[in-house]
Amino acid sequence: DQQVKQNSPSLSVQEGRISILNCDYTNSMFDYFLWYKKYPAEGPTFLISISSIKDKNEDGRFTVFLNKSAKHLSLHIVPSQPGDSAVYFCAAKRNSGNTPLVFGKGTRLSVIA
Amino acid sequence: KAGVTQTPRYLIKTRGQQVTLSCSPISGHRSVSWYQQTPGQGLQFLFEYFSETQRNKGNFPGRFSGRQFSNSRSEMNVSTLELGDSALYLCASSSGQAEKLFFGSGTQLSVL
Repeated sequence: DQQVKQNSPSLSVQEGRISILNCDYTNSMFDYFLWYKKYPAEGPTFLISISSIKDKNEDGRFTVFLNKSAKHLSLHIVPSQPGDSAVYFCAAKRNSGNTPLVFGKGTRLSVIA
Repeated sequence: KAGVTQTPRYLIKTRGQQVTLSCSPISGHRSVSWYQQTPGQGLQFLFEYFSETQRNKGNFPGRFSGRQFSNSRSEMNVSTLELGDSALYLCASSSGQAEKLFFGSGTQLSVL
């Protein structure tokens, strides 16, 4: 039973354009959401997060949008750069009760120069 | 501050053997979590330790076990290795109260 789903295994975008990565979740108890980026042979690094009390959070070129009614979040990268090429993982958790982060399967983003 | 350190980086074992992986968290972090990453499966949660106690456990067989020491360092053990255990094993630490996890570079385990 996959509680966090990233339905696109891969995405190719031209440099300078917008990258949109999508994530769906099924557990309505999730109230905190994170995106991680992973390069080969490295561990995932935290990118941006959003609490369920917000619907948008922005950090430089990265913006995460949360649609609670649809149980959907998306990560927008504008403008996309070749260095953004990596695997992006969506993760979610319940902020109460010390529950673990649940990750999606990841989306491989390729930014083409 | 030093990051999360995992040793060894690479391991090759044969079926039936057992293996121990090590993780040193960020200084001051009391929570250590372990995840397994296999191609196409994302990161699957194994277990979490906080102050030497297992706080959460994922859906893995009993062959997978772990422990945490008083200095917050953690070890993960896999006994009777199977081919399907070949994966990248990631350790992550947090302060225990924070939402974010900080990951190490992982141990790539190959079972032949």
